Amino acid sequence: ETGVTQSPTHLIKTRGQQVTLRCSSQSGHNTVSWYQQALGQGPQFIFQYYREEENGRGNFPPRFSGLQFPNYSSELNVNALELDDSALYLCASSLTSGGTDTQYFGPGTRLTVL
Amino acid sequence: GQNIDQPTEMTATEGAIVQINCTYQTSGFNGLFWYQQHAGEAPTFLSYNVLDGLEEKGRFSSFLSRSKGYSYLLLKELQMKDSASYLCAVNVPDSWGKLQFGAGTQVVVTP
Repeated sequence: ETGVTQSPTHLIKTRGQQVTLRCSSQSGHNTVSWYQQALGQGPQFIFQYYREEENGRGNFPPRFSGLQFPNYSSELNVNALELDDSALYLCASSLTSGGTDTQYFGPGTRLTVL
Repeated sequence: GQNIDQPTEMTATEGAIVQINCTYQTSGFNGLFWYQQHAGEAPTFLSYNVLDGLEEKGRFSSFLSRSKGYSYLLLKELQMKDSASYLCAVNVPDSWGKLQFGAGTQVVVTP
């Protein structure tokens, strides 16, 4: 167990709706990164938050947004859902934003968009 | 762009050895990670290499050659529970802590 939790486990939405996914990092970890993993693929980096500020972003549109809170929890919000957003969404926490720190993943939220 | 290649699938027998290769071409390099991912579960950390050479950790070893853009993960004394996807990920220094993942290698261990 990594000490990183995510909720909900599974979620079904329809196209055009909005969704909020939640993550609770390991205590003391100031950095959280979010990834999208399509079936049969490796995780794709969405963005990273460090001390409540966005610290880096991958090739995802602005309808993917996030928040990080002082209590080591964070959120991923996706607006105007599209069918291609169906995937496993993973959050990973690390001690600092430095690249050499190991990232510890949560169990993920499986999002299905119909 | 970033390119990380690993074989799609490998099959091996219980008790045998399997070597999973990973080649990468990235805009920079700040270390390479190997993760194990069972179906429907989170990736779990296996190893980290930043300098050339072999890192051994129990039944698992990982090797890195930065000049060749090459790494491998060696799994010895295979057990049925080792059936999983193995992900190679490069830390790219242009974005703090961003991991660029390969598509993963599905290892199937047969009795």
